[in-house]
Amino acid sequence: QVQLVQSGAEVKKPGASVKVSCKASGYTFTSYGISWVRQAPGQGLEWMGWISAYNGNTNYAQKLQGRVTMTTDTSTSTAYMELRSLRSDDTAVYYCARRDSSGSYWGQGTLVTVSS
Amino acid sequence: SYELTQPPSVSVSPGQTARITCSGDALPKKYAYWYQQKSGQAPVLVIYEDSKRPSGIPERFSGSSSGTMATLTISGAQVEDEADYYCYSTDSSGNPSEVFGGGTKLTVL
Repeated sequence: QVQLVQSGAEVKKPGASVKVSCKASGYTFTSYGISWVRQAPGQGLEWMGWISAYNGNTNYAQKLQGRVTMTTDTSTSTAYMELRSLRSDDTAVYYCARRDSSGSYWGQGTLVTVSS
Repeated sequence: SYELTQPPSVSVSPGQTARITCSGDALPKKYAYWYQQKSGQAPVLVIYEDSKRPSGIPERFSGSSSGTMATLTISGAQVEDEADYYCYSTDSSGNPSEVFGGGTKLTVL
């Protein structure tokens, strides 16, 4: 069965960077892209961007351009999302999801807390 | 930047029909998708490509789209349908950004 397993919770100081991983299993990794979505406490879903696991092409949300980098490691079927220059309003649960128009496969979410 | 607009809340009694709307300028050209999110859980896709239902989603969930508005309809809403619902779509400009609506809290009681 399709599974996306994310790395554990992180606590970071303002200005630091965080890198969240998302390990896929149960399907051919390079056949689907990976989207990243975040949700601040008590707030709605925010699309961050996506990466093609086939060729590494990316499309980032404009507000995160320059601070976010999405990558993949096809040898381990793992996607990564790195966010730099963290601010308090980056505190959120970060989700990865298989880019699938008719399916719904999401990771369990990773809480990133930014606090001094 | 592109936006999708949803009502913050909708409330129905069990067995009634709930309708949640989503408006966006690009919806005449782009598909709408609907996600259900229950407290503390990851979102679940309930409608894709305006009106298609993924396997495992109850038949009471349906979707439609006309002009700049997409609608999620839950016919005979049940208590377990109480959740936040988000529409999702893509801008139709040359740089395709993707966006979620602000979300609608559905209360069934």
